[in-house]
Amino acid sequence: AQTVTQSQPEMSVQEAETVTLSCTYDTSESNYYLFWYKQPPSRQMILVIRQEAYKQQNATENRFSVNFQKAAKSFSLKISDSQLGDTAMYFCAFPSTGANSKLTFGKGITLSVRP
Amino acid sequence: GAVVSQHPSWVICKSGTSVKIECRSLDFQATTMFWYRQFPKQSLMLMATSNEGSKATYEQGVEKDKFLINHASLTLSTLTVTSAHPEDSSFYICSARDPVRGSTEAFFGQGTRLTVV
Repeated sequence: AQTVTQSQPEMSVQEAETVTLSCTYDTSESNYYLFWYKQPPSRQMILVIRQEAYKQQNATENRFSVNFQKAAKSFSLKISDSQLGDTAMYFCAFPSTGANSKLTFGKGITLSVRP
Repeated sequence: GAVVSQHPSWVICKSGTSVKIECRSLDFQATTMFWYRQFPKQSLMLMATSNEGSKATYEQGVEKDKFLINHASLTLSTLTVTSAHPEDSSFYICSARDPVRGSTEAFFGQGTRLTVV
């Protein structure tokens, strides 16, 4: 079974600083996607970034980037120049294989950006 | 991007009544939709996978007679909470994938906050 682990329940960062959110996973698949989703106080789930496992290059979306270590099964999210609007819960997610690939979510981490 | 619309955003109902929540894919056809339940400060817990034209697949521990799912068209899935009780109060979220995109990315509805009094 696939598992996703986020061991940090909460983190806090000063505005404009950089923060890294950790995620590890377990799978026997060799080709897959990994996602980070953001859930702000509105509770709307928003895709932050996706990584394709067969790509060696780490994905980057503006201030958001990942450190993908396939051998270690680690998928951390780095947020640079943190903004107040980054305050949210962040979930690492892993889709199962197959036609109805369902997402397995980590427990999530609550990130607070301090002014 | 792909848009999923969920309605209503919030609902209050009396104990013993039934509540229907709708999930629509607005600009794509979704053969598969997913229903999640989320408690405050916790992760999303998958309840069931909704398949167009066939029976839903429920996760272990989810009562199928309690949470009725219908996916009658390629753009609409509904979740009906039957004979609701206060313990059913929660945040319910649907998601759908656009098979054309092929990345297994899920698009989420806005969620429905259900309060049973």
